[in-house]
Amino acid sequence: KNEVEQSPQNLTAQEGEFITINCSYSVGISALHWLQQHPGGGIVSLFMLSSGKKKHGRLIATINIQEKHSSLHITASHPRDSAVYICAVKELKGAGGTSYGKLTFGQGTILTVHP
Amino acid sequence: DAGVTQSPTHLIKTRGQQVTLRCSPKSGHDTVSWYQQALGQGPQFIFQYYEEEERQRGNFPDRFSGHQFPNYSSELNVNALLLGDSALYLCASSLDYSYGYTFGSGTRLTVV
Repeated sequence: KNEVEQSPQNLTAQEGEFITINCSYSVGISALHWLQQHPGGGIVSLFMLSSGKKKHGRLIATINIQEKHSSLHITASHPRDSAVYICAVKELKGAGGTSYGKLTFGQGTILTVHP
Repeated sequence: DAGVTQSPTHLIKTRGQQVTLRCSPKSGHDTVSWYQQALGQGPQFIFQYYEEEERQRGNFPDRFSGHQFPNYSSELNVNALLLGDSALYLCASSLDYSYGYTFGSGTRLTVV
């Protein structure tokens, strides 16, 4: 079982729909990242969370540390939101919980939004 | 303020050859991490460099090696290339002990 699991693996939506992508993890973490990857490869960091909720425009990210679960929501989805969305966790490592910064990634969710 | 710069963007090599990929971190960042992303998969951690030392390493063979220079830029070297080394290689920089990462656009390596 992977340390970071995302669901669904593929998601198709109509423009305007509300979208949710889920991420569950099994390790102790110091932070969780939501990333966006377009065809061609470049990765853009959307959110970094260690607790609670963050909002940026139409994107909302939440995390529940006790349940080891995070969600990424997209409101009023648009075809330009089509991309791969990746959840990545920064594990707690080393003495005293020092985090050396290794990220462990989920397999990604392929989102396609049709006009 | 430049972000993370990776070169080259694309590369084709023959099995058995050696390759060097380069990464310039975001200004102010001192830590560089390298990841391998096979087609359709999430990135896998190769190693991380801080203060010119390899600080942490993922589950990759010794054919994969790296270096960090005093200006914090980094190189990833892969020897004796295999077909399975074909992937997108991503570099991410950060300021040590902070949580934020900046990713480069990657180098697409094809081994034939």
